[in-house]
Amino acid sequence: GQNIDQPTEMTATEGAIVQINCTYQTSGFNGLFWYQQHAGEAPTFLSYNVLDGLEEKGRFSSFLSRSKGYSYLLLKELQMKDSASYLCAVRDLNSWGKLQFGAGTQVVVTP
Amino acid sequence: EAGVVQSPRYKIIEKKQPVAFWCNPISGHNTLYWYLQNLGQGPELLIRYENEEAVDDSQLPKDRFSAERLKGVDSTLKIQPAELGDSAVYLCASSPGISRGGRNEQFFGPGTRLTVL
Repeated sequence: GQNIDQPTEMTATEGAIVQINCTYQTSGFNGLFWYQQHAGEAPTFLSYNVLDGLEEKGRFSSFLSRSKGYSYLLLKELQMKDSASYLCAVRDLNSWGKLQFGAGTQVVVTP
Repeated sequence: EAGVVQSPRYKIIEKKQPVAFWCNPISGHNTLYWYLQNLGQGPELLIRYENEEAVDDSQLPKDRFSAERLKGVDSTLKIQPAELGDSAVYLCASSPGISRGGRNEQFFGPGTRLTVL
Protein backbone atom coordinates (compact mmCIF):
# COMPACT_ATOMS: atom_id res chain seq x y z
CA GLY A 1 0.00 0.00 0.00
CA GLN A 2 0.93 3.64 0.04
CA ASN A 3 1.62 6.17 2.77
CA ILE A 4 1.01 9.66 1.53
CA ASP A 5 1.99 12.71 3.54
CA GLN A 6 1.18 16.33 2.82
CA PRO A 7 0.88 19.38 5.10
CA THR A 8 -2.49 20.00 6.66
CA GLU A 9 -2.74 23.71 5.95
CA MET A 10 -0.86 26.53 4.26
CA THR A 11 -1.62 30.23 4.18
CA ALA A 12 -0.39 32.66 1.54
CA THR A 13 -1.14 36.14 0.26
CA GLU A 14 -2.92 36.94 -2.98
CA GLY A 15 -0.39 37.20 -5.81
CA ALA A 16 2.20 35.09 -4.00
CA ILE A 17 3.52 31.59 -4.72
CA VAL A 18 2.82 28.50 -2.63
CA GLN A 19 4.44 25.08 -2.89
CA ILE A 20 2.59 22.04 -1.55
CA ASN A 21 4.82 19.04 -0.90
CA CYS A 22 3.74 15.43 -1.04
CA THR A 23 5.81 12.41 -0.06
CA TYR A 24 4.73 8.85 -0.67
CA GLN A 25 5.75 5.24 -0.26
CA THR A 26 4.42 2.68 -2.69
CA SER A 27 5.16 -0.86 -3.77
CA GLY A 28 4.52 -0.11 -7.44
CA PHE A 29 4.34 3.53 -8.48
CA ASN A 30 2.27 4.19 -11.59
CA GLY A 31 1.49 7.87 -11.59
CA LEU A 32 0.76 10.76 -9.27
CA PHE A 33 -2.23 13.06 -9.49
CA TRP A 34 -3.10 16.40 -7.95
CA TYR A 35 -6.73 17.32 -7.44
CA GLN A 36 -8.31 20.57 -6.25
CA GLN A 37 -11.38 20.42 -4.03
CA HIS A 38 -13.38 23.46 -3.00
CA ALA A 39 -15.48 23.10 0.14
CA GLY A 40 -18.62 21.09 -0.54
CA GLU A 41 -17.63 20.32 -4.12
CA ALA A 42 -16.16 17.44 -6.09
CA PRO A 43 -12.41 17.02 -6.52
CA THR A 44 -11.29 18.26 -9.94
CA PHE A 45 -8.19 17.09 -11.78
CA LEU A 46 -5.23 19.47 -11.87
CA SER A 47 -2.15 17.55 -12.97
CA TYR A 48 -0.58 14.17 -13.63
CA ASN A 49 3.07 13.08 -13.38
CA VAL A 50 4.40 9.64 -14.24
CA LEU A 51 7.96 10.54 -15.25
CA ASP A 52 10.46 12.62 -13.30
CA GLY A 53 10.40 16.32 -13.92
CA LEU A 54 8.18 19.33 -14.06
CA GLU A 55 4.79 19.60 -15.75
CA GLU A 56 3.56 23.14 -16.25
CA LYS A 57 0.00 24.16 -16.92
CA GLY A 58 -0.70 27.86 -16.65
CA ARG A 59 -0.35 29.09 -13.08
CA PHE A 60 -0.03 25.53 -11.76
CA SER A 61 3.02 23.28 -12.04
CA SER A 62 3.70 19.84 -10.63
CA PHE A 63 7.05 18.15 -10.06
CA LEU A 64 7.90 14.50 -9.50
CA SER A 65 10.98 12.66 -8.27
CA ARG A 66 10.30 8.92 -8.26
CA SER A 67 13.60 8.05 -6.60
CA LYS A 68 12.77 10.31 -3.66
CA GLY A 69 9.07 9.47 -3.51
CA TYR A 70 8.36 13.18 -3.70
CA SER A 71 6.14 15.57 -5.57
CA TYR A 72 5.13 19.16 -5.23
CA LEU A 73 2.37 21.33 -6.61
CA LEU A 74 3.33 24.94 -7.27
CA LEU A 75 0.63 27.58 -7.39
CA LYS A 76 1.77 30.91 -8.80
CA GLU A 77 0.10 34.32 -8.83
CA LEU A 78 -2.35 33.17 -6.18
CA GLN A 79 -5.95 34.27 -6.50
CA MET A 80 -8.67 34.23 -3.86
CA LYS A 81 -10.44 31.48 -5.80
CA ASP A 82 -7.42 29.22 -5.24
CA SER A 83 -8.47 28.81 -1.61
CA ALA A 84 -9.28 25.09 -1.53
CA SER A 85 -7.99 21.70 -0.47
CA TYR A 86 -5.32 20.17 -2.70
CA LEU A 87 -5.20 16.39 -2.76
CA CYS A 88 -2.15 14.34 -3.72
CA ALA A 89 -3.02 10.85 -5.02
CA VAL A 90 -0.76 7.97 -6.04
CA ARG A 91 -1.67 5.13 -8.38
CA ASP A 92 -0.38 1.67 -7.62
CA LEU A 93 1.00 -0.46 -10.47
CA ASN A 94 -0.27 -3.52 -8.70
CA SER A 95 -3.84 -2.23 -8.84
CA TRP A 96 -4.22 -0.30 -12.04
CA GLY A 97 -6.60 2.57 -11.63
CA LYS A 98 -6.71 2.50 -7.85
CA LEU A 99 -5.75 5.83 -6.34
CA GLN A 100 -4.59 6.30 -2.78
CA PHE A 101 -5.31 9.86 -1.64
CA GLY A 102 -3.52 11.95 0.92
CA ALA A 103 -5.57 13.84 3.49
CA GLY A 104 -5.28 17.05 1.49
CA THR A 105 -3.66 20.43 2.11
CA GLN A 106 -5.99 23.30 2.86
CA VAL A 107 -4.65 26.44 1.18
CA VAL A 108 -5.96 29.72 2.51
CA VAL A 109 -5.36 32.77 0.34
CA THR A 110 -5.55 36.08 2.18
CA PRO A 111 -5.98 39.56 0.63
CA GLU B 1 -20.30 16.82 -22.20
CA ALA B 2 -22.23 15.99 -19.06
CA GLY B 3 -20.21 15.16 -15.98
CA VAL B 4 -20.78 12.48 -13.38
CA VAL B 5 -24.28 12.79 -11.96
CA GLN B 6 -25.18 11.78 -8.42
CA SER B 7 -28.38 11.86 -6.47
CA PRO B 8 -29.50 12.80 -3.96
CA ARG B 9 -27.11 15.61 -3.03
CA TYR B 10 -28.09 15.47 0.62
CA LYS B 11 -29.69 12.80 2.75
CA ILE B 12 -30.61 12.79 6.42
CA ILE B 13 -31.78 9.55 7.99
CA GLU B 14 -32.07 7.99 11.41
CA LYS B 15 -29.74 5.19 12.39
CA LYS B 16 -30.79 1.68 11.43
CA GLN B 17 -32.64 3.01 8.38
CA PRO B 18 -31.62 2.01 4.84
CA VAL B 19 -30.30 4.49 2.31
CA ALA B 20 -29.34 4.34 -1.36
CA PHE B 21 -27.21 6.54 -3.57
CA TRP B 22 -27.31 6.67 -7.34
CA CYS B 23 -24.57 7.52 -9.83
CA ASN B 24 -24.54 7.99 -13.59
CA PRO B 25 -20.99 8.14 -14.95
CA ILE B 26 -19.69 10.04 -17.95
CA SER B 27 -20.90 8.43 -21.17
CA GLY B 28 -18.43 5.87 -22.46
CA HIS B 29 -16.49 5.51 -19.22
CA ASN B 30 -15.98 1.86 -18.42
CA THR B 31 -14.66 2.28 -14.90
CA LEU B 32 -16.82 3.47 -12.03
CA TYR B 33 -15.70 4.12 -8.45
CA TRP B 34 -17.46 4.73 -5.17
CA TYR B 35 -15.52 6.64 -2.53
CA LEU B 36 -16.21 7.70 1.03
CA GLN B 37 -14.83 11.04 2.21
CA ASN B 38 -14.79 12.16 5.81
CA LEU B 39 -14.29 15.79 6.75
CA GLY B 40 -10.66 16.82 6.44
CA GLN B 41 -9.65 13.59 4.76
CA GLY B 42 -9.05 12.40 1.24
CA PRO B 43 -11.47 10.08 -0.56
CA GLU B 44 -11.20 6.39 0.35
CA LEU B 45 -12.14 3.79 -2.24
CA LEU B 46 -15.09 1.56 -1.39
CA ILE B 47 -15.54 -0.31 -4.67
CA ARG B 48 -14.39 -0.17 -8.29
CA TYR B 49 -16.23 -1.52 -11.31
CA GLU B 50 -14.84 -2.39 -14.72
CA ASN B 51 -18.03 -2.40 -16.78
CA GLU B 52 -20.45 -4.47 -14.70
CA GLU B 53 -17.77 -6.40 -12.80
CA ALA B 54 -16.67 -5.36 -9.31
CA VAL B 55 -12.90 -5.75 -9.56
CA ASP B 56 -11.96 -4.25 -6.18
CA ASP B 57 -14.37 -4.31 -3.26
CA SER B 58 -11.83 -5.12 -0.58
CA GLN B 59 -12.69 -2.00 1.45
CA LEU B 60 -16.46 -2.27 1.20
CA PRO B 61 -18.02 -3.23 4.58
CA LYS B 62 -20.05 -6.04 3.14
CA ASP B 63 -22.11 -6.65 6.25
CA ARG B 64 -24.07 -3.46 5.62
CA PHE B 65 -22.91 -2.01 2.30
CA SER B 66 -23.81 -3.29 -1.15
CA ALA B 67 -23.42 -1.95 -4.65
CA GLU B 68 -24.48 -2.87 -8.14
CA ARG B 69 -23.85 -1.81 -11.69
CA LEU B 70 -26.12 -4.18 -13.54
CA LYS B 71 -25.82 -2.92 -17.12
CA GLY B 72 -22.34 -1.49 -16.82
CA VAL B 73 -23.59 2.09 -16.85
CA ASP B 74 -25.19 3.64 -13.78
CA SER B 75 -24.66 2.31 -10.29
CA THR B 76 -26.32 2.21 -6.90
CA LEU B 77 -24.65 2.07 -3.49
CA LYS B 78 -26.79 0.95 -0.55
CA ILE B 79 -26.32 0.96 3.20
CA GLN B 80 -28.59 -1.18 5.35
CA PRO B 81 -28.79 -0.52 8.21
CA ALA B 82 -27.04 2.84 8.50
CA GLU B 83 -24.96 3.63 11.58
CA LEU B 84 -23.93 6.95 13.08
CA GLY B 85 -20.38 6.48 11.82
CA ASP B 86 -21.59 6.30 8.22
CA SER B 87 -22.13 10.05 8.15
CA ALA B 88 -19.82 11.25 5.38
CA VAL B 89 -19.77 12.35 1.75
CA TYR B 90 -20.13 9.53 -0.76
CA LEU B 91 -18.41 10.33 -4.02
CA CYS B 92 -18.83 8.59 -7.33
CA ALA B 93 -16.16 8.86 -10.02
CA SER B 94 -15.61 7.45 -13.48
CA SER B 95 -12.69 7.07 -15.85
CA PRO B 96 -12.30 5.89 -19.44
CA GLY B 97 -10.84 2.54 -18.38
CA ILE B 98 -7.60 0.58 -18.33
CA SER B 99 -7.83 -0.52 -21.94
CA ARG B 100 -7.86 3.08 -23.12
CA GLY B 101 -4.33 3.64 -21.80
CA GLY B 102 -3.07 7.08 -20.90
CA ARG B 103 -3.50 8.70 -17.54
CA ASN B 104 -7.00 7.29 -17.06
CA GLU B 105 -7.88 10.22 -14.82
CA GLN B 106 -10.93 10.02 -12.64
CA PHE B 107 -13.78 12.50 -12.91
CA PHE B 108 -15.78 13.00 -9.74
CA GLY B 109 -19.43 13.69 -9.17
CA PRO B 110 -20.63 16.29 -6.62
CA GLY B 111 -21.21 13.64 -3.98
CA THR B 112 -24.02 12.79 -1.60
CA ARG B 113 -23.68 14.18 1.90
CA LEU B 114 -25.17 11.65 4.30
CA THR B 115 -26.10 12.53 7.86
CA VAL B 116 -27.15 9.71 10.16
CA LEU B 117 -28.95 10.84 13.32
